[in-house]
Amino acid sequence: ILNVEQSPQSLHVQEGDSTNFTCSFPSSNFYALHWYRWETAKSPEALFVMTLNGDEKKKGRISATLNTKEGYSYLYIKGSQPEDSATYLCASNNNNDMRFGAGTRLTVKP
Amino acid sequence: SAVISQKPSRDICQRGTSLTIQCQVDSQVTMMFWYRQQPGQSLTLIATANQGSEATYESGFVIDKFPISRPNLTFSTLTVSNMSPEDSSIYLCSVRRGLIETQYFGPGTRLLVL
Repeated sequence: ILNVEQSPQSLHVQEGDSTNFTCSFPSSNFYALHWYRWETAKSPEALFVMTLNGDEKKKGRISATLNTKEGYSYLYIKGSQPEDSATYLCASNNNNDMRFGAGTRLTVKP
Repeated sequence: SAVISQKPSRDICQRGTSLTIQCQVDSQVTMMFWYRQQPGQSLTLIATANQGSEATYESGFVIDKFPISRPNLTFSTLTVSNMSPEDSSIYLCSVRRGLIETQYFGPGTRLLVL
């Protein structure tokens, strides 16, 4: 049984702060690690898909890293804005079995 | 990418009734899934919807409770049968084109069972 863990569960930051969250996942039979951004009343939006150890992806102020040997990924947000407020989900695809973490709920205060 | 629509977007239902949720994709996709998110919990996979054959259910989910149809590669339905308040959740349809491809989600159906 796969176990994808995310921390922290929730996070409150001030506008302009930089922040990061963690996703840990099983490293055996690993295919890919996905990050999603989920705003209330909207579909989860795909941010990154990473497959190789050491992968780093960046989209604007958001970036992510991947360590497949130890089974963790970090998501970074630089200079948080109120519109970054959302739940950030990670999902690990191991042997074509995709499992989601419970998410990190980010609130950015103006 | 894939554009996914779901109907209804939300509903309030009485205990003991059933609700069918529709999922329409703008292009043909091989892999289609149904998830739910109960309050405060992560996305949980209910089943993989297989075109032309019975869905593949995850542990804890059964066909009698969550019958699924997939008549073609762009459409699927999930029925939540004999509902109880514990079925109150967001139900999401999702598709993926390949093993390591991005998985796309519909907007979700917010269900409240009274």
